[in-house]
Amino acid sequence: EIVMTQSPATLSVSPGERATLSCRASQSVSSYLAWYQQKPGQPPRLLIYDASTRATGIPARFSGSGSGTEFTLTISSLQSEDFAVYYCQQYNNWPPWTFGQGTKVEIK
Amino acid sequence: QLQLQESGPGLVKPSETLSLTCTVSGGSISSRSYYWGWIRQPPGKGLEWIGTTHSSETTYYNPSLKSRVTVSVDKSKNQFSLRLSSVTAADTAVYYCARHGGNFMIGVVMPGWFDPWGQGALVTVSS
Repeated sequence: EIVMTQSPATLSVSPGERATLSCRASQSVSSYLAWYQQKPGQPPRLLIYDASTRATGIPARFSGSGSGTEFTLTISSLQSEDFAVYYCQQYNNWPPWTFGQGTKVEIK
Repeated sequence: QLQLQESGPGLVKPSETLSLTCTVSGGSISSRSYYWGWIRQPPGKGLEWIGTTHSSETTYYNPSLKSRVTVSVDKSKNQFSLRLSSVTAADTAVYYCARHGGNFMIGVVMPGWFDPWGQGALVTVSS
């Protein structure tokens, strides 16, 4: 099973600033990685798939990069609606499909 | 616009079987281009994939739950279902259903990401 590790656990950022979230895989997942955003009381929403492709309707301020074992989600200028928990998920070696433990982006 | 909705009991007794159904609207569960999955989230914790199925009845299960899980498709009702047996308090969670899509390789879809998700159903295991 591939273990996904996200860092940091919590990221404090001021509105308008850039946020950089990391996700590391215990072995290579090529570019088969997705990112999700989850707000309290809501289901996760797909942001990025194939490491860098934005899902339909996702604003351009969200970007993904990386391959192999190291991945990054960047939010270029945080808006109030972006404060949430973010999860990465691999789909290179399955089953199981596995998620990271999440990074909470909070207001500084 | 595809929508998914979970339904089922919100309270299950320990040692009994948890049963949930996901109703798909705005699209066909019989599409060969997609799989359909279940994911759960214990209160205040992260996401755990449970199982995935396809209209061809191909299924995949999380090895950690495999002995207790059954996921099935009912094409006539455009639904898919989850059964988890011998539940304990550790199975208390919000259970989500989701379309499990992915890239095509040699004309076959390889399940990858989950999109969209249902709103989730909280299931509490307690006597």
